Amino acid sequence: ILNVEQSPQSLHVQEGDSTNFTCSFPSSNFYALHWYRWETAKSPEALFVMTLNGDEKKKGRISATLNTKEGYSYLYIKGSQPEDSATYLCARPDQLIWGAGTKLIIKP
Amino acid sequence: DVKVTQSSRYLVKRTGEKVFLECVQDMDHENMFWYRQDPGLGLRLIYFSYDVKMKEKGDIPEGYSVSREKKERFSLILESASTNQTSMYLCASRTHGGDTDTQYFGPGTRLTVL
Repeated sequence: ILNVEQSPQSLHVQEGDSTNFTCSFPSSNFYALHWYRWETAKSPEALFVMTLNGDEKKKGRISATLNTKEGYSYLYIKGSQPEDSATYLCARPDQLIWGAGTKLIIKP
Repeated sequence: DVKVTQSSRYLVKRTGEKVFLECVQDMDHENMFWYRQDPGLGLRLIYFSYDVKMKEKGDIPEGYSVSREKKERFSLILESASTNQTSMYLCASRTHGGDTDTQYFGPGTRLTVL
């Protein structure tokens, strides 16, 4: 993989349900992977900095895992709330390449 | 509190006009970046700067130039705006040598070229 790819492109989830989405990235010469959340009318904000294979990071109901050998990271949201609605971006910060994002919409 | 500001949230310009987008950060960061974001595409790097008066081309520099005369300010210039430069432009900054450090973003400028 030469680019950072995210799937799905968009996701509609019922409030209260849990969900997850994927970031695939070039695994060669891995340095770090970043996750950002971008809410409408706001600036993208950092969620997680992931550096080690097998890393699992957690912030409230949101967590992320990392597999550097196969080049993917999962973001999980438990018990989705309306405030989780945003576009979630991942990036290889050393290569300055970004995924297109997963747009998450939580339906009340 | 960390802050990156951009000169305009919305901008409408005509084809052929020269356009200046300004970005200012108050964190004393060495690295600054300009991206554009279009539907279905990731953030695409236009230019970045590692220090005052230094600039590096990103993935899509054509039709753009930049200026960094002071550490806190990084300007993006569209010499002759074209309709295909209609986009959301985001500025970001990061500490020097912080490849694992997160970037701090401005609110974005939505530019429409008619």
